[in-house]
Amino acid sequence: DTGVSQDPRHKITKRGQNVTFRCDPISEHNRLYWYRQTLGQGPEFLTYFQNEAQLEKSRLLSDRFSAERPKGSFSTLEIQRTEQGDSAMYLCASSFRASGERFGYTFGSGTRLTVV
Amino acid sequence: DQQVKQNSPSLSVQEGRISILNCDYTNSMFDYFLWYKKYPAEGPTFLISISSIKDKNEDGRFTVFLNKSAKHLSLHIVPSQPGDSAVYFCAASGVSSGSARQLTFGSGTQLTVLP
Repeated sequence: DTGVSQDPRHKITKRGQNVTFRCDPISEHNRLYWYRQTLGQGPEFLTYFQNEAQLEKSRLLSDRFSAERPKGSFSTLEIQRTEQGDSAMYLCASSFRASGERFGYTFGSGTRLTVV
Repeated sequence: DQQVKQNSPSLSVQEGRISILNCDYTNSMFDYFLWYKKYPAEGPTFLISISSIKDKNEDGRFTVFLNKSAKHLSLHIVPSQPGDSAVYFCAASGVSSGSARQLTFGSGTQLTVLP
């Protein structure tokens, strides 16, 4: 198992364009999380899935953001009509059930988005 | 409204000495506290956690202390090694407004261990 994989590692896009990121969690983990980290801050929760069901979304997740996990395996995070304020590191993490909140999620290396 | 605060953005210590990283929280509903370490260009890596019913948890060179009355926790690293140089995030979890749990992170402390 190679851990949590995220693709791409870096993305530069023009304002107004749509972008999509992919996350492949650890195979036996049924929970998948998306976090966003801006410079000088800690990661902020965006949304999480248990299997294919999206169970919670942060108010940070505006209607321009959508996340899916169609078969309970990989997940995608799409940002439509990107804005400069969307520039951040987007982190994916996975865990087995609720153990992550007690014993730590496994994070991927993140996708760094730069909106110009 | 920062529920988890790390007031020291940076800390430098000499190799072999003790590193003490501090964290304060405001939400009394948090019931687990975690520390993550992050190297540049990598995602955060889980280090150690503590339940709110305990006041100390130890794992090798890493010890986390929890003072519930003060809503304060600290991470002690003894002895500090140059490879410990990284950003350390404090995080907390508890029942959120929904049915799920999530981690609330502090803003991090950059630890530099000088050889």
